[in-house]
Amino acid sequence: GQSLEQPSEVTAVEGAIVQINCTYQTSGFYGLSWYQQHDGGAPTFLSYNGLDGLEETGRFSSFLSRSDSYGYLLLQELQMKDSASYFCAVPSGGGADGLTFGKGTHLIIQP
Amino acid sequence: KAGVTQTPRYLIKTRGQQVTLSCSPISGHRSVSWYQQTPGQGLQFLFEYFSETQRNKGNFPGRFSGRQFSNSRSEMNVSTLELGDSALYLCASSLEGGRYEQYFGPGTRLTVT
Repeated sequence: GQSLEQPSEVTAVEGAIVQINCTYQTSGFYGLSWYQQHDGGAPTFLSYNGLDGLEETGRFSSFLSRSDSYGYLLLQELQMKDSASYFCAVPSGGGADGLTFGKGTHLIIQP
Repeated sequence: KAGVTQTPRYLIKTRGQQVTLSCSPISGHRSVSWYQQTPGQGLQFLFEYFSETQRNKGNFPGRFSGRQFSNSRSEMNVSTLELGDSALYLCASSLEGGRYEQYFGPGTRLTVT
């Protein structure tokens, strides 16, 4: 089966940089995705890594090392609106489009 | 383009009853996945449908079932409700092969009393 581990909570200061780590164990590997979810809201897609290296999308970047079964999400120039839960995810398998998610990291941003 | 819609948004049921939740995907999206979200277990994959066929199923009891119609709309059903079924049920749609980028609906908040 698939399993993902990420810290339950991370605290950072407004304007700073924060990194959220994710380690995974999968039967086969088809890429790592990241989602953001604000309290009371639905998850929204942030980024995807299919190959090793860094993918950048504005203030957000995501990194993957397949040899280490490890990835991270990097958030720069933190804003209060970035306070949310962040989930890493991998395909659930079977050729289907469902995802297996990590338990999520609650990001707390202090002024 | 309209987003993923789910109905109803809130539901209160009694233990032992059954419930049906509905999901309409984004136009053109043929894959629909369902998830259960609880504070203790997080986001858990229930099942995924594509072209009216269930392609994968998560580790949930047979009380949880679903189906997909020819217009890609999907329903999930939970029979013999238990208190532990209280959760936010989310559906997500994607283009075929779009497993990395799924679009989530607002969810149905189910409370079982």
